[in-house]
Amino acid sequence: SQKIEQNSEALNIQEGKTATLTCNYTNYSPAYLQWYRQDPGRGPVFLLLIRENEKEKRKERLKVTFDTTLKQSLFHITASQPADSATYLCALRNSGNTPLVFGKGTRLSVIA
Amino acid sequence: NAGVTQTPKFQVLKTGQSMTLQCAQDMNHNSMYWYRQDPGMGLRLIYYSASEGTTDKGEVPNGYNVSRLNKREFSLRLESAAPSQTSVYFCASSAKTGGTEAFFGQGTRLTVV
Repeated sequence: SQKIEQNSEALNIQEGKTATLTCNYTNYSPAYLQWYRQDPGRGPVFLLLIRENEKEKRKERLKVTFDTTLKQSLFHITASQPADSATYLCALRNSGNTPLVFGKGTRLSVIA
Repeated sequence: NAGVTQTPKFQVLKTGQSMTLQCAQDMNHNSMYWYRQDPGMGLRLIYYSASEGTTDKGEVPNGYNVSRLNKREFSLRLESAAPSQTSVYFCASSAKTGGTEAFFGQGTRLTVV
């Protein structure tokens, strides 16, 4: 069956450290993989999109990698801040005109 | 700069009642979606509309109907609400299905008692 798994439900790290979140998928051949941030009581907000032919994408303190051999994406936040505390969701779609499917998310807490 | 607007924000229904959740986007997007989010289950797709005039089932369509009224609006109807439909509902839109970023509304928190 098809599955998207995010490594853990919750992750606590100290301010200033790099947070690394993992997204693994099974029985998908995604053309794109996306990462979203969700704050409590709000809808998800798009952060980054990476294509199957891209290895890495950066945006300010964020970095996403995409390894189609390992079927895995890593999401890094460098120099993390308490304001980065949120739930982070990975989402992907298979090739073709299909909607996004989301992982269950990882709740990140950055402790000052 | 409204983006995706959902109404209502909160709703309490009695079992068996019906209601319609409204969603409108002002970004001229072709595709629109309804997701539900439950603790421990993540976001699950109920229905989507790849373009005006088309709708398709997602992962959990039972108990729901949708209408793509025009390019801007996509409504979700619960004909006979059940406690299992207690959830937070999100409407989203994107320029095209799946391949571009999705924009989400603020959510509707629905409780069925």
